[in-house]
Amino acid sequence: EPEVTQTPSHQVTQMGQEVILRCVPISNHLYFYWYRQILGQKVEFLVSFYNNEISEKSEIFDDQFSVERPDGSNFTLKIRSTKLEDSAMYFCASSDMGETQYFGPGTRLLVL
Amino acid sequence: AQTVTQSQPEMSVQEAETVTLSCTYDTSESNYYLFWYKQPPSRQMILVIRQEAYKQQNATENRFSVNFQKAAKSFSLKISDSQLGDTAMYFCAFMKPSFNTDKLIFGTGTRLQVFP
Repeated sequence: EPEVTQTPSHQVTQMGQEVILRCVPISNHLYFYWYRQILGQKVEFLVSFYNNEISEKSEIFDDQFSVERPDGSNFTLKIRSTKLEDSAMYFCASSDMGETQYFGPGTRLLVL
Repeated sequence: AQTVTQSQPEMSVQEAETVTLSCTYDTSESNYYLFWYKQPPSRQMILVIRQEAYKQQNATENRFSVNFQKAAKSFSLKISDSQLGDTAMYFCAFMKPSFNTDKLIFGTGTRLQVFP
């Protein structure tokens, strides 16, 4: 059964450093998403991506965040200058018709 | 703006028993989707069940079923014959479909513990 994959599973970085989180969505899916879950809190929407551009972003998704689909398979989230409060689980999700979203296993980011 | 409320932070149930998790939501939309996702200790988000608002029939997936009350804006999840592997956080989520984005709005979750 096809699934969304994410790398790395864990990432530790120093405050101020750049990180890139990678996702491979399900191959025939057209809609891509990033969500964030701070430990013990609910899952929050960051950004959606369709037809090679951002279709919606939340207030959390400020100028330090960017997304890219560099080729036909990868979907990346870049955080330019990490802050302590960026420590969270980051989930990538994809859907085919924009209905049911399937989530990857997540990347646990720790900013020191 | 849409909101999703899960009023039960924690629930527990004995193995083989039935448990119901509550979820209410607020929206002025008539066309939308509702979901339950399960998050076990591994923290992966796993889809449990989906309900389309235009369907009157409640969705079922094996031991999981929902009670969808559109007028009351209520969407509860019933787990029958609970198993130890059902121990997890359960998140209710709302989605309003649109042309190019369908973000999920999550509730705060209910932690379910299944005891032997």
